[in-house]
Amino acid sequence: DIQMTQSPSSLSASVGDRVTITCQASQDISNYLNWYQQKPGKAPKLLIYDASNLETGVPSRFSGSGSGTDFTFTISSLQPEDIATYYCQQYDNLPPLYTFGQGTKLEIK
Amino acid sequence: EVQLVQSGAEVKKPGESLKISCKGSGYSFTSYWIGWVRQMPGKGLEWMGIIYPGDSDTRYSPSFQGQVTISADKSISTAYLQWSSLKASDTAMYYCVRKGHGAFDYWGQGTLVTVSS
Repeated sequence: DIQMTQSPSSLSASVGDRVTITCQASQDISNYLNWYQQKPGKAPKLLIYDASNLETGVPSRFSGSGSGTDFTFTISSLQPEDIATYYCQQYDNLPPLYTFGQGTKLEIK
Repeated sequence: EVQLVQSGAEVKKPGESLKISCKGSGYSFTSYWIGWVRQMPGKGLEWMGIIYPGDSDTRYSPSFQGQVTISADKSISTAYLQWSSLKASDTAMYYCVRKGHGAFDYWGQGTLVTVSS
């Protein structure tokens, strides 16, 4: 089974800061990596798919990069509304298998 | 507008059965896989399984195989998640999701299932 290691598990940053979260796969997953945002009490929301593609309607301050085993999610300038938990997710289509990272809880300093 | 609307919160006793639902609208229900994701209290996200309503092809996460049953009724654009005998450890929020371009691009609002004696 592919394991996803997401870090850090929690993060405190100031408004305007650049924030980076990493996700490492236990084996090569090409670019089959997505990022989600979950605000408290809400359903998760897709932000980035296939490692670097911004979902329609998502602000451009969010970005993703990486391939193979190492991936990065970045918020270029943190806004108060970005307080949430962020999850990476790897996927495989044959057979279907979707594995989430442990999550990163982002707070405002 | 694509929407996934889930059935309401449930409170059940251990050993009882349960079936929760997820109704899709605003898109071709038979053309996209629908999955289910569990979130236990204060914990992360776990993928449970997925179904293609067009032909009812169903796949399960190894962690949930045999524990739940996923089904769909394409005539009413609705997917289901069911348990035959609930346990206290099934207490969680359950989300249905639509799979688009490899990711879960739309999510239902969640159904909270509480299992307690």
